[in-house]
Amino acid sequence: DQQVKQNSPSLSVQEGRISILNCDYTNSMFDYFLWYKKYPAEGPTFLISISSIKDKNEDGRFTVFLNKSAKHLSLHIVPSQPGDSAVYFCAAYMNRDDKIIFGKGTRLHILP
Amino acid sequence: KAGVTQTPRYLIKTRGQQVTLSCSPISGHRSVSWYQQTPGQGLQFLFEYFSETQRNKGNFPGRFSGRQFSNSRSEMNVSTLELGDSALYLCASSNSGAGYTFGSGTRLTVV
Repeated sequence: DQQVKQNSPSLSVQEGRISILNCDYTNSMFDYFLWYKKYPAEGPTFLISISSIKDKNEDGRFTVFLNKSAKHLSLHIVPSQPGDSAVYFCAAYMNRDDKIIFGKGTRLHILP
Repeated sequence: KAGVTQTPRYLIKTRGQQVTLSCSPISGHRSVSWYQQTPGQGLQFLFEYFSETQRNKGNFPGRFSGRQFSNSRSEMNVSTLELGDSALYLCASSNSGAGYTFGSGTRLTVV
């Protein structure tokens, strides 16, 4: 049973446009959510996080939105750049169980 | 199909000891990668194995080592444990990078 789902295995976006990566979760007990970026042949690197008590967090070109009622979060990248082409993981963390659960990732292709 | 299985789920060791963690990937997946998750550093890449060969390695000292067996199961070993090695160790399996599945992790506490 997947508690964190990234339903789009891949996404292609024109350079300069907005990339929107989506993530759904099933457990309302998660305390915060994280996004990681992974280039081929490298490990994931942390991008941005959001506490479950917030609905938006912004860091430069990256903004994460959290909709608790829909159990949905999204990562917006504006404007998209060629270096943004990577796999993006959504993850959710629960303090109570000391558990972090990852989605399967979405591969983002930025088109020239 | 079964997910990624990591054993043990929790482990307590003393400084100076060594520890071996195990990861069984999804059947058919040939790539296994290992990560260290800490509150301060976030998710850090340790190494990746593909078909029994280490394909990539992060910036961890030589005390951290791993291997992969012919059935794709992987083990990670940490020797001469330090307090700072306390963390959640995650592994992920994939099939040619087409989607990654993470295990539940092994929580290592060094005392």
